[in-house]
Amino acid sequence: GAVVSQHPSRVICKSGTSVKIECRSLDFQATTMFWYRQFPKQSLMLMATSNEGSKATYEQGVEKDKFLINHASLTLSTLTVTSAHPEDSSFYICSAAQGGTGVNAFFGQGTRLTVV
Amino acid sequence: RKEVEQDPGPFNVPEGATVAFNCTYSNSASQSFFWYRQDCRKEPKLLMSVYSSGNEDGRFTAQLNRASQYISLLIRDSKLSDSATYLCVVNRDGGFKTIFGAGTRLFVKA
Repeated sequence: GAVVSQHPSRVICKSGTSVKIECRSLDFQATTMFWYRQFPKQSLMLMATSNEGSKATYEQGVEKDKFLINHASLTLSTLTVTSAHPEDSSFYICSAAQGGTGVNAFFGQGTRLTVV
Repeated sequence: RKEVEQDPGPFNVPEGATVAFNCTYSNSASQSFFWYRQDCRKEPKLLMSVYSSGNEDGRFTAQLNRASQYISLLIRDSKLSDSATYLCVVNRDGGFKTIFGAGTRLFVKA
């Protein structure tokens, strides 16, 4: 199956700093990438949908200035958590799809962010 | 009320047992349905799609009841390796909206 690589798998940062998470589709061109956040014992919550070459579409309640998403190429999307705070600590997962839908998307391994 | 509801469990069953999970969804415009498996601190992985006619993959059987807006997953002859969280996933809006349930935790004991 298709491979989506997410990096880093785990990061600890100080409050107030920014963290960048990369999501790469290794063997297919991903026109659409999805970014999710998952708090302990809760479901994955879609944060934003990014299409290559255009601005990301953010879900209601997700601050676009805090969670910067860039999808500059068909194989790479990045999520930058700016001025991170302890409440941003969570499991962030990307998924990549060849079409525009979230179905048949392939998930990255996830990034566990801890802000101290 | 959440759009996709699941019993969080946990379900604690012995090896060899049969266990069933249920899921309900509230949006009648939902179009496609899936079960994912998520191991602790890992990404979700697609287990199987769910069709109205029902589908089976080895020890796993999934069923969809559109009239009742209800999805089920049956696991027969449970293995220790089946221990995981099972996520009910619903897709709508032409595939552009994917909603995950919070998951049902399963522990299979020796």
